[in-house]
Amino acid sequence: RKEVEQDPGPFNVPEGATVAFNCTYSNSASQSFFWYRQDCRKEPKLLMSVYSSGNEDGRFTAQLNRASQYISLLIRDSKLSDSATYLCAGLGTYKYIFGTGTRLKVLA
Amino acid sequence: EADIYQTPRYLVIGTGKKITLECSQTMGHDKMYWYQQDPGMELHLIHYSYGVNSTEKGDLSSESTVSRIRTEHFPLTLESARPSHTSQYLCASSDATGFEQYFGPGTRLTVT
Repeated sequence: RKEVEQDPGPFNVPEGATVAFNCTYSNSASQSFFWYRQDCRKEPKLLMSVYSSGNEDGRFTAQLNRASQYISLLIRDSKLSDSATYLCAGLGTYKYIFGTGTRLKVLA
Repeated sequence: EADIYQTPRYLVIGTGKKITLECSQTMGHDKMYWYQQDPGMELHLIHYSYGVNSTEKGDLSSESTVSRIRTEHFPLTLESARPSHTSQYLCASSDATGFEQYFGPGTRLTVT
């Protein structure tokens, strides 16, 4: 089992939809958690850190469920510009462990 | 915006050449990382450093080497490039707490 697992998608959703991604993790990747956004052929950009209490930034909400070992990202009112690959990452003892990413395509 | 830079952004080079990919950051971050990523594929950690004179190999076996003589600089060297080295190389850094990691724009390497 991979240390951080994501559904690769793609998720094709209409503009304005709400979409949620989950990411499961193992104990070796469990100190802190993050969501990154990566556009095609670009570097990953930090979208948000994930806190135990959950956190929200505009249309984006991230939550952490330690009991079930997963983190989630909710995007409300999807925009065409949200189309990208979303990577979850866990911070282990000495390194970040990335999932393979979930592709999102928002359709007009 | 993170202040982390990579040069060159694109490099096409012949087999057998020695190349150095540059990475520098102006944030004073102690920790720096090199990842390799093929198009549409996952990130693979190939090297990391916790500070000056500290370097470690990552998860993916790589024929490259790194050095960390200055805090802000973490170059990656390939002594003899091969077509199998064709990939995107991403440099990243994080502060001592290691909580948030920032990536450079990447170097897209093609070995012919």
